[in-house]
Amino acid sequence: AQSVTQLGSHVSVSEGALVLLRCNYSSSVPPYLFWYVQYPNQGLQLLLKYTSAATLVKGINGFEAEFKKSETSFHLTKPSAHMSDAAEYFCAVIYSGGYQKVTFGTGTKLQVIP
Amino acid sequence: NAGVTQTPKFQVLKTGQSMTLQCAQDMNHNSMYWYRQDPGMGLRLIYYSASEGTTDKGEVPNGYNVSRLNKREFSLRLESAAPSQTSVYFCASSERSEGRNSPLHFGNGTRLTVT
Repeated sequence: AQSVTQLGSHVSVSEGALVLLRCNYSSSVPPYLFWYVQYPNQGLQLLLKYTSAATLVKGINGFEAEFKKSETSFHLTKPSAHMSDAAEYFCAVIYSGGYQKVTFGTGTKLQVIP
Repeated sequence: NAGVTQTPKFQVLKTGQSMTLQCAQDMNHNSMYWYRQDPGMGLRLIYYSASEGTTDKGEVPNGYNVSRLNKREFSLRLESAAPSQTSVYFCASSERSEGRNSPLHFGNGTRLTVT
């Protein structure tokens, strides 16, 4: 079955350090790719999405993600973590043939240490 | 602009009871979805409605029914609640005309506990 894998259910970084959250998809045909963020007791909101116009996608709050077809990856990065970045992050994909059937990864909780 | 509104925010049910979770969106979106979120499992699609008048099963539809009442409203019904349905339920919507990579817009969730 087609899936999306997020390595690391919990990631801790120091404030000001690089944030790297990993996402890999399982298809030879690149799917539609998204990153969502969930703050406590809230729904998910879109951080960024891959549109095929460029392999490096910039999103809100200083986050960006790079699409690498050879590695089937769409990792999320931010150069310098802020306390307000503490949240849970979900990678999501839409594979061909499934109209807007979004498959979510299991999520990565980001902790930012002061 | 309210976006996607879910009611109630919290609910406790006894096994065997029934209830309906309500969802309404004011963005004139064609597509609406119900997901459940469980720890360590991400979000799983229960049912979706690509447009008014249509509904389809998602990944985990057993034990649930849905109604697309009109373009704005999409309800989820538990006919006989079971402890395995303890979860956080999210409603979402998206605009079909924006293409297949149009983003989902989520409500703030309903936290359901079945005892």
